[in-house]
Amino acid sequence: GENVEQHPSTLSVQEGDSAVIKCTYSDSASNYFPWYKQELGKRPQLIIDIRSNVGEKKDQRIAVTLNKTAKHFSLHITETQPEDSAVYFCAASINGGYQKVTFGIGTKLQVIP
Amino acid sequence: DAGVIQSPRHEVTEMGQEVTLRCKPISGHNSLFWYRQTMMRGLELLIYFNNNVPIDDSGMPEDRFSAKMPNASFSTLKIQPSEPRDSAVYFCASRGGQGMGNEQFFGPGTRLTVL
Repeated sequence: GENVEQHPSTLSVQEGDSAVIKCTYSDSASNYFPWYKQELGKRPQLIIDIRSNVGEKKDQRIAVTLNKTAKHFSLHITETQPEDSAVYFCAASINGGYQKVTFGIGTKLQVIP
Repeated sequence: DAGVIQSPRHEVTEMGQEVTLRCKPISGHNSLFWYRQTMMRGLELLIYFNNNVPIDDSGMPEDRFSAKMPNASFSTLKIQPSEPRDSAVYFCASRGGQGMGNEQFFGPGTRLTVL
């Protein structure tokens, strides 16, 4: 089955700096890669996703990149703000996400004011 | 829509007792997922259903865990007998079918403590 590895497990950045979280996946058939954000005590919520036919996708201060050859994908957050502090999960799925999604272990991001 | 609804929100029980967690998916969604979240293991998929049928239960830890989805609007996850290592937050999530987007919508979770 699919295996998703995520790093770093924790990340501290100064407010205004950028943050990068990296993930790798094992199943070359995976073609859908969502990212979820979980604030303390809350439920995970989708913040952005990317499909394998696209190399990069951007939404305001967040962007995701995908390297299918290397089976790597990354989340980039620019101009970080304290409200970006949360746990971020990457995930991978086949069939465009219409099957099970395998999550990474999560990255706890702390933005220091 | 109220979103995915889970009950109870918190459950404290003693080892050996039966625990039943409940989930109501978003109306019209045809996939339902049960996850367990712990610090050590992150977010683990236990089982998921498509159109009320269990598709993959390979994540269910052992026979003490069972899940049912008797209809499109209700699912249960049962642990019998419960053990302290079952303490975790259990999330239910639902997703629409083809053409409704890939996003999984999570419920608020049930925090289970087994003493």
